[in-house]
Amino acid sequence: DGGITQSPKYLFRKEGQNVTLSCEQNLNHDAMYWYRQDPGQGLRLIYYSQIVNDFQKGDIAEGYSVSREKKESFPLTVTSAQKNPTAFYLCASSLTSGRFYEQFFGPGTRLTVL
Amino acid sequence: AQSVTQLGSHVSVSEGALVLLRCNYSSSVPPYLFWYVQYPNQGLQLLLKYTSAATLVKGINGFEAEFKKSETSFHLTKPSAHMSDAAEYFCAVSQNTGNQFYFGTGTSLTVIP
Repeated sequence: DGGITQSPKYLFRKEGQNVTLSCEQNLNHDAMYWYRQDPGQGLRLIYYSQIVNDFQKGDIAEGYSVSREKKESFPLTVTSAQKNPTAFYLCASSLTSGRFYEQFFGPGTRLTVL
Repeated sequence: AQSVTQLGSHVSVSEGALVLLRCNYSSSVPPYLFWYVQYPNQGLQLLLKYTSAATLVKGINGFEAEFKKSETSFHLTKPSAHMSDAAEYFCAVSQNTGNQFYFGTGTSLTVIP
């Protein structure tokens, strides 16, 4: 079955540590996205990538980094520079051409800072 | 710039009653609009989308939405609520470049038995 997988489902981090969240898709989509979800704030875009080896900052990129070495993978690193990283993180993908293509979402990773 | 406003962060309806979730958009160009549903601790699932074809869009699970340009609205409705409809619902508009979506803050739907 085609879809998006995220791992781990739950992640705990000590203050000062970097952690990497995994996102893999087998939909053959060119575009991939990372969102952060906090209660009452909807989804906020962290980074997005429209093609391999290229990515752009979203609205809240500070304290985060990404890479896009393969079409199917778009890992997100939450660095120690992110002051309030506890949140639910969602990865999504879509076809690139045309803004009418919907985004498909993974099941999410819940990150908690201890 | 595009944006989306969802009126009512919490909506409660009785089982079997009409569901109405409100979404208003602002866009400088004809918008593409989407409704997503999210169950607890899960990702978002597409309910329906408007891409400038028919103004009344039918989606999954009996939901539908009507695009009204004069009111800049794209409200989500379902004639008869079911217990399984309890979830968080997000309206989104897509930007004309960059494949970016802008999401509303969400509406939590509670269905009362």
